[in-house]
Amino acid sequence: QKEVEQNSGPLSVPEGAIASLNCTYSDRGSQSFFWYRQYSGKSPELIMSIYSNGDKEDGRFTAQLNKASQYVSLLIRDSQPSDSATYLCAVNPNNYGQNFVFGPGTRLSVLP
Amino acid sequence: DAGVTQSPTHLIKTRGQQVTLRCSPKSGHDTVSWYQQALGQGPQFIFQYYEEEERQRGNFPDRFSGHQFPNYSSELNVNALLLGDSALYLCASSFDRALETQYFGPGTRLLVL
Repeated sequence: QKEVEQNSGPLSVPEGAIASLNCTYSDRGSQSFFWYRQYSGKSPELIMSIYSNGDKEDGRFTAQLNKASQYVSLLIRDSQPSDSATYLCAVNPNNYGQNFVFGPGTRLSVLP
Repeated sequence: DAGVTQSPTHLIKTRGQQVTLRCSPKSGHDTVSWYQQALGQGPQFIFQYYEEEERQRGNFPDRFSGHQFPNYSSELNVNALLLGDSALYLCASSFDRALETQYFGPGTRLLVL
């Protein structure tokens, strides 16, 4: 069974700090990885996608991928209260087609 | 550029009834996937439609069925509703290309009483 694991949280950080969110996956053949943000009562919103080992930066967000360790992370710099949400890690275990496997999500709370 | 749209936004049904949810993909997208998200959990893949056919299916019973129309819009049908079917139903669309990103609609919240 293909699985994606995340710490459910809540993860609390003070405003301005770096929030670090982690995700591990079981299918070693997975090729594409995504982070979505989901506010309470809303649908998931794409933050980042990453396909190659290493870091990918987009504004205050940095995604990190280590395929050997089957590990994906998301760093949020200068965290703001508006970043308070659930962050979902999604993995596409197929090279084609988009039947994403989601983790349970990590709830982040940024304290003013 | 219209994003993914879904209807209705909310729905209340009773056990044993049938429900149909609708989705229009993001402009240009030809692939539609459906997910079920129970409270406090991540979305679970139900199935994916491409070229009006079900291409992939997750671990959901046959009570869950779907359809894709020539304009790429899609329907999700659930028969013989159970209390456990209460969830947020998400539609996601994408291009049919390798490593593509999926974009989600606002979802339909279904409550089964």
